[in-house]
Amino acid sequence: GQSLEQPSEVTAVEGAIVQINCTYQTSGFYGLSWYQQHDGGAPTFLSYNALDGLEETGRFSSFLSRSDSYGYLLLQELQMKDSASYFCAVRDGAGGGADGLTFGKGTHLIIQP
Amino acid sequence: ETGVTQTPRHLVMGMTNKKSLKCEQHLGHNAMYWYKQSAKKPLELMFVYNFKEQTENNSVPSRFSPECPNSSHLFLHLHTLQPEDSALYLCASSPDRTSGANVLTFGAGSRLTVL
Repeated sequence: GQSLEQPSEVTAVEGAIVQINCTYQTSGFYGLSWYQQHDGGAPTFLSYNALDGLEETGRFSSFLSRSDSYGYLLLQELQMKDSASYFCAVRDGAGGGADGLTFGKGTHLIIQP
Repeated sequence: ETGVTQTPRHLVMGMTNKKSLKCEQHLGHNAMYWYKQSAKKPLELMFVYNFKEQTENNSVPSRFSPECPNSSHLFLHLHTLQPEDSALYLCASSPDRTSGANVLTFGAGSRLTVL
């Protein structure tokens, strides 16, 4: 099976930088993804890492270390609209190299003015 | 609008009712998924379809019955549900079920309440 651990809640100040960590345990590994979900909304894709290192997409960056089974999402220049839940997810390929993602429980990010 | 449309958005049903959730994607994707999202729990994968063939059933009770008539449409048929089945049911699609499966496009979900 697979499991992912991420903090349940993080609070940060508008304009600051925040890092949301994710550790995972999987039998195989085909990538770590990050999704954002606003209250009442659908999860939306943010970023994906298949290899070690940092991927940057605007204000958001994602990092992966496969040897440590660890990744993080970095949000810079925080805005009030960034208040949402953030999920890490892995594809472990248990279904013959494919099939759906397994998600963490999500981190509720609270932005204070 | 994400390109994945789910109906109805809200559904209330009794334990003896039969209802269906519908999902349609306009993205030309080949893989479709049903996920369940309950309060304080991670998204749970229920079913995976690839080119309208079911490739995964994640130990889901038989009171949930999926149907995928083509690559653009996915249904979840519900019967004799339990109150603990109340949740947000999310449909998603991806270009394929391999490398493209890391990027899911979700619908807005169907909020189900079982009385």
